[in-house]
Amino acid sequence: ETGVTQSPTHLIKTRGQQVTLRCSSQSGHNTVSWYQQALGQGPQFIFQYYREEENGRGNFPPRFSGLQFPNYSSELNVNALELDDSALYLCASSPGEGGEEKLFFGSGTQLSVL
Amino acid sequence: RKEVEQDPGPFNVPEGATVAFNCTYSNSASQSFFWYRQDCRKEPKLLMSVYSSGNEDGRFTAQLNRASQYISLLIRDSKLSDSATYLCVVAHNDMRFGAGTRLTVKP
Repeated sequence: ETGVTQSPTHLIKTRGQQVTLRCSSQSGHNTVSWYQQALGQGPQFIFQYYREEENGRGNFPPRFSGLQFPNYSSELNVNALELDDSALYLCASSPGEGGEEKLFFGSGTQLSVL
Repeated sequence: RKEVEQDPGPFNVPEGATVAFNCTYSNSASQSFFWYRQDCRKEPKLLMSVYSSGNEDGRFTAQLNRASQYISLLIRDSKLSDSATYLCVVAHNDMRFGAGTRLTVKP
C-alpha cells in the first residue's frame, strides 16, 4: 500500500510569485485535505476535496486554490505569495467522503517565501 | 475563541511519570475526536481516536466529555520516546487541529 507522497519537499520563492504543490493520496483514498502549519502552531485547515470537488474550506483567501484529479491526486496553488505564507504545507488523505475520518499525512512541503 | 484550544506546555517530565493533556473545543456539533502525535517538523500521525465511553491503548487513555466540550489524554509510565507534540483534533465536516502540547520526557 502506497502512502501519501508530496512534492517538492522544500521550495524557496520570492514575494509575489506563484507556487504549485503536489500530493498523491494513499491508495484507495478519495478525499484529500490540505493544511498549513506555521512554526510552533498546529496545522490550519485550508480546504478539502472529495471526488474532484471542493467540499470544505477554512479561513484562507481565494489566492489559495486547489484541484483534485480523477486519480485522486491533488494540487495546492498559491498566488501572489506573501512572507506569511512561509510554512510547512501538509496534504492528508482519508478513505471516505472525508471530514470526520482518520487522516493520513504526507511528509509535507516546506515553503520559504523571501 | 479558537475552535480547538490546548495547553501549549511545554511539559517536562521524568521517565516513568504520568502526564495529562487537556483540550477544549467550541463547536458543540463536533462528532469525531482524535489525538495525533507530531515529532519535530515531521507529519502528524494518528495516536488514537477518542470515544464517548473513553478508551485505552496500552499506556494511553483518552476521554471525552461532550457536555463540557473537553477531551483529555493521559500517558502513564512515560518513555523517552514519548517526547513529541500532541495535537488534539476535532471533526465536524472537516478536521480542526489544536496548536499542540509539547512533551519532553527526560531520563
